[in-house]
Amino acid sequence: GIQVEQSPPDLILQEGANSTLRCNFSDSVNNLQWFHQNPWGQLINLFYIPSGTKQNGRLSATTVATERYSLLYISSSQTTDSGVYFCAVPYNQGGKLIFGQGTELSVKP
Amino acid sequence: KAGVTQTPRYLIKTRGQQVTLSCSPISGHRSVSWYQQTPGQGLQFLFEYFSETQRNKGNFPGRFSGRQFSNSRSEMNVSTLELGDSALYLCASSLRENTEAFFGQGTRLTVV
Repeated sequence: GIQVEQSPPDLILQEGANSTLRCNFSDSVNNLQWFHQNPWGQLINLFYIPSGTKQNGRLSATTVATERYSLLYISSSQTTDSGVYFCAVPYNQGGKLIFGQGTELSVKP
Repeated sequence: KAGVTQTPRYLIKTRGQQVTLSCSPISGHRSVSWYQQTPGQGLQFLFEYFSETQRNKGNFPGRFSGRQFSNSRSEMNVSTLELGDSALYLCASSLRENTEAFFGQGTRLTVV
């Protein structure tokens, strides 16, 4: 089956710094999603990005489907950005998402 | 527009008992998927329902089952609970296959 790998596994930043999170996938995909898991466990949708670049405030994402990777950029990080970031891709039929292991981001004041 | 609603938010059960979790998808969404999240295994797919039919199932024992009703609400059931079933159970809804998935707040199950 398809493999999804995220890097780095952990990241510690000072408030105001920028960061790039990477998601590699082993097979071609129809779409890709980025999520932020909040401290209470809910997965918050960040981007639905099969290809190209999207921006939402301080966050942006780029997916290069032909090279099988996606990047999530966080600029001017804030303490509220802390948490775990996941990417996920669909696999086979029937609404199944395969998740990466996540990047745990900690932003220090 | 209301989001995905999962109930209950927290549960404590004893080994050997069974439990039922509920998920109400976003209005109009017909696909509901369930995931288990544990520290060791990450997020793992349990099963997916579309128009009351299970279309896909993950690699979990038969103790894990689910169903979907005509209003798209879904339930999952875990019988004969084991300590290892302690996890965060997340439900996702989407319009149909390969469209954006939206997750509920999860049900945190603790088995003692």
